[in-house]
Amino acid sequence: QVQLVQSGAEVKKPGASVKVSCKASGYFFTDYALHWVRQAPGQRLEWMGWIYVGNGNTKYSERFHDRVTITRDTSASTAYMELSRLRSEDTAVYYCARNQEYHMDVWGKGTTVTVSS
Amino acid sequence: QSALTQPASVSGSPGQSITISCTGTSGDVGSYNVVSWYQQHPGKVPKLMIFDVSKRPSGVSDRFSGSKSGNTASLTISGLQADDEADYYCCSYAGASTYVFGTATKVTVL
Repeated sequence: QVQLVQSGAEVKKPGASVKVSCKASGYFFTDYALHWVRQAPGQRLEWMGWIYVGNGNTKYSERFHDRVTITRDTSASTAYMELSRLRSEDTAVYYCARNQEYHMDVWGKGTTVTVSS
Repeated sequence: QSALTQPASVSGSPGQSITISCTGTSGDVGSYNVVSWYQQHPGKVPKLMIFDVSKRPSGVSDRFSGSKSGNTASLTISGLQADDEADYYCCSYAGASTYVFGTATKVTVL
């Protein structure tokens, strides 16, 4: 079955970077784009950006464009989201989600990132 | 890109119908017929309920329906059940390869 398996929880200090992985299985990895969405505690879902896995092209939300980098390793069927210059407000659950023609049909279970000194 | 506007909460009794609105702009909801809706129970992963304004994925109850008029999309839940109590988010393509989510609506079953 189609699955997105994300890496484990992270605890980082302010100013550091975090890199979250999302390993796909059950479908042809390069046939679909992948989104990254985050949710701070008690807050709404927030779209961060996505990657066209086939050619590696990316697009980021203006809110994160200078701090986020999304990449992929097609040989490992894995996408990565790196967020730099972390601050406490970046404490959140980070989800990857498969794009299916303008909607997100399969989601990873989420990766909790805690930013604390 | 500003979030799409949803009511903070909507409630209804079992068996009733409720409607959640999702208001955007002519740059997102108004321009593209690709609004999707997600259900999220506390501590759980979001689940796709509606896509392309009014289409239901396989396995989603036909009690869930969607529509759109101008810059506002709507999700209607008919025959409200206890398990429908959750947060609901709309999402729209916003042009230039970007997406935007709504502000979230908490549905309470009385």
